[in-house]
Amino acid sequence: DAGITQSPRYKITETGRQVTLMCHQTWSHSYMFWYRQDLGHGLRLIYYSAAADITDKGEVPDGYVVSRSKTENFPLTLESATRSQTSVYFCASSEGRARETQYFGPGTRLLVL
Amino acid sequence: EDQVTQSPEALRLQEGESSSLNCSYTVSGLRGLFWYRQDPGKGPEFLFTLYSAGEEKEKERLKATLTKKESFLHITAPKPEDSATYLCAVQAWAAGNKLTFGGGTRVLVKP
Repeated sequence: DAGITQSPRYKITETGRQVTLMCHQTWSHSYMFWYRQDLGHGLRLIYYSAAADITDKGEVPDGYVVSRSKTENFPLTLESATRSQTSVYFCASSEGRARETQYFGPGTRLLVL
Repeated sequence: EDQVTQSPEALRLQEGESSSLNCSYTVSGLRGLFWYRQDPGKGPEFLFTLYSAGEEKEKERLKATLTKKESFLHITAPKPEDSATYLCAVQAWAAGNKLTFGGGTRVLVKP
């Protein structure tokens, strides 16, 4: 039972480069979420998706793009990476009914030089 | 705007020394309050969901309680393996399935 996985686990890139972080879940959950976690800010929602082809902005969406062509995948793209996007990124999913718990992946540590 | 404040930011305990973590929240219509545990280098791990004031949930040495303004996570007779960051999050009816997280409390239990 793989659950929710993220790749890569670690990534170093340079400013201006495009980076895609992958998220895959095996539960067929309807909802998927992307968060970033920074010291002093806690976990902040970047984007979320209620179903395939349905996405919406969270608290900090600027500089990020998402897509969801399949229920199980929810990639996050940094179109032109900036140093301020150095962070730990977590993907989560939930079944989608009322009051449903979100389950988190292991995270991707991204360093933008 | 939904807000969650956790205190203290950090807590050092001796093994067996019970304590409580606080999560204060303001939300327009609470749908649920969630507690997670996060170990270094890992993703948050779900612990509890509380839905209404007066509700309590327990798991091993952890007990979560909820009032209309705050939630407490009580750690009874902690062991070193309880060392982690504990995160609180709220889900508002108006926010759909989105969560708003607090900053977390880092707990260190020394043997």
